[in-house]
This record gives sequence, structure tokens and C-alpha cells, in this order.
Amino acid sequence: EAGVTQFPSHSVIEKGQTVTLRCDPISGHDNLYWYRRVMGKEIKFLLHFVKESKQDESGMPNNRFLAERTGGTYSTLKVQPAELEDSGVYFCASSPTFSGNTIYFGEGSWLTVV
Amino acid sequence: QKEVEQNSGPLSVPEGAIASLNCTYSDRVSQSFFWYRQYSGKSPELIMSIYSNGDKEDGRFTAQLNKASQYVSLLIRDSQPSDSATYLCAVSNGNNDMRFGAGTRLTVKP
Repeated sequence: EAGVTQFPSHSVIEKGQTVTLRCDPISGHDNLYWYRRVMGKEIKFLLHFVKESKQDESGMPNNRFLAERTGGTYSTLKVQPAELEDSGVYFCASSPTFSGNTIYFGEGSWLTVV
Repeated sequence: QKEVEQNSGPLSVPEGAIASLNCTYSDRVSQSFFWYRQYSGKSPELIMSIYSNGDKEDGRFTAQLNKASQYVSLLIRDSQPSDSATYLCAVSNGNNDMRFGAGTRLTVKP
């Protein structure tokens, strides 16, 4: 069974540019999460989808970040325009329906804004 | 106050010793508790989950939970150099939202 896959694995962009990160969750997992870890800090929750609906987006830092999950399958996280402080690792994770279950992480998308 | 607090370390133990990792959390309604291991440049991987007060053992790993004290720990017995990694404590309120600590970096020296 394929795990959570993320693309791109690494991205270097200039301040002001746009980047779109993609996440393909494990097949059949209704729950999809985005997390971010900036250098030296803890992994921070960004948002949670249940199928195509945003269950909780309280962790989204500002309106430069837009997450979508059209059709309830893969998800994208767009940063526009990117700022230096957006640099970090963006993890996607997924889990099955029931609460308390393990969530499975992707390898992360490493974003560097220069 | 951070939602989940861990000592960032680094924690260094000799091979064969017991490594003790600690975590406290602020949300009293938290229901599920997890320990993830993350090797440098890799994704976090689940090593233990615990839901009830007390101890839970899995091989060389023992998770301990005390909800009254809002405290969860991970013990690694007979530590191996391959256990060297960052250990992340994670707490969930049961709504599939998980909050992480900053992680404790563990080094096991041969």
C-alpha cells in the first residue's frame, strides 16, 4: 500500500513568488492534515480536511496560504506570495475515519524562500 | 504556555542504558497520546500510542501516562545507536487534531 506522498520534495523560490505543494494521502483516508516545521521549532498544525471539507483551519498563518482538497482526494497548499519566514518543512498526513487513530506522515516538502 | 512541552535536549546516553523522554501537555481534555521518532531529513514515524493511565510496553519501549499530572513519558531500554533521533510527543483531543511538542533530540553513544 502506498504511503502519503508529497511533491515537490524540495523547492527553492524567491520572495514574492508562488509555490504549490501537493499531497496524495493514503487511499481511503478521509482525514488529511497539513503541518509545518520551521527550523528549530515544533511541528505546527495548519489545517485538517475531512474529505473535501475544511474541518479546522485555525493553524493557517495568514491569507497568503490557501489549501484545497477538491474531490476529497489529493490536496494542494499554495503559498502566494511567499515570504522568507515561510521557509520550512511542510508535512502532509492522513488518517482513516475514526478519531484517535494513528496519522501517517509523508516525507515532507522542504521549502526555502530566498 | 505551549500546548505540548518537551525538553529539547540533546539527551545523550551510552549504548545499553535507559533513555527517558518526558512530555507535559496543557489541554486537560486530551485523550490520545503518541510518541513519534524522526530521523534527520525523514518523516515522523509512530512508535507508541497510549490512551489510558499507566504503562504500555512494546519491546524495548515503554510509554507512561499520568492524566492527573498531564504528563506522558517514553522509556527506551537497552538503547542502541540506531535509536538516535528526535522524539516527538503528540497529543490529540480525539477530534483527529494532533498537537506536537518541539521534540527531544536523543543521541546514543556506542
